[in-house]
Amino acid sequence: DAKTTQPNSMESNEEEPVHLPCNHSTISGTDYIHWYRQLPSQGPEYVIHGLTSNVNNRMASLAIAEDRKSSTLILHRATLRDAAVYYCILKGYNYGQNFVFGPGTRLSVLP
Amino acid sequence: SAVISQKPSRDICQRGTSLTIQCQVDSQVTMMFWYRQQPGQSLTLIATANQGSEATYESGFVIDKFPISRPNLTFSTLTVSNMSPEDSSIYLCSVGGQGSAGEQYFGPGTRLTVT
Repeated sequence: DAKTTQPNSMESNEEEPVHLPCNHSTISGTDYIHWYRQLPSQGPEYVIHGLTSNVNNRMASLAIAEDRKSSTLILHRATLRDAAVYYCILKGYNYGQNFVFGPGTRLSVLP
Repeated sequence: SAVISQKPSRDICQRGTSLTIQCQVDSQVTMMFWYRQQPGQSLTLIATANQGSEATYESGFVIDKFPISRPNLTFSTLTVSNMSPEDSSIYLCSVGGQGSAGEQYFGPGTRLTVT
């Protein structure tokens, strides 16, 4: 499985933007970049995914480097509810049908 | 999208006993996944369950310890057998993720404590 590297933890102030980085230098051309998050005492939930172009949805934005070896999840205005573990996951046709979770980044949001 | 429910939400069990966890999905799905999340750790896939066939187990997990049933396209059970304190974890059911762009949906998890 292609691996991703994320910082163990990050901290943000409420209502400020948050940039969560992910390195995936061994990504292949057909791998999608997925982001999931796990709120306390809940199962993981989908945040966003992309292949090559930057993506926006109601939850976040995903900025993908031109060489695709890194990406950044952007939360435009962090709220206390965004405190969670964020997982950056690569998924391609060679990885079967499930996601392989790394340790993720634990985001703390300060009021 | 898919909505997944799990029963029980939590349980405290004695060493040597077994617990069966149920997973119900609100739509028909081909593949269901069972994950384990040990305290303070990330998720680890236990097995993949297809309807009508034997579950496929990941390295380190065996059928005798974690038997899985998949009687139809909306339901699955995972049994944790002959439990020890090391089995204390959150067990999560998941569906979806078809193809490299597909979303995956997770249940709320079953928090198991073995004493």
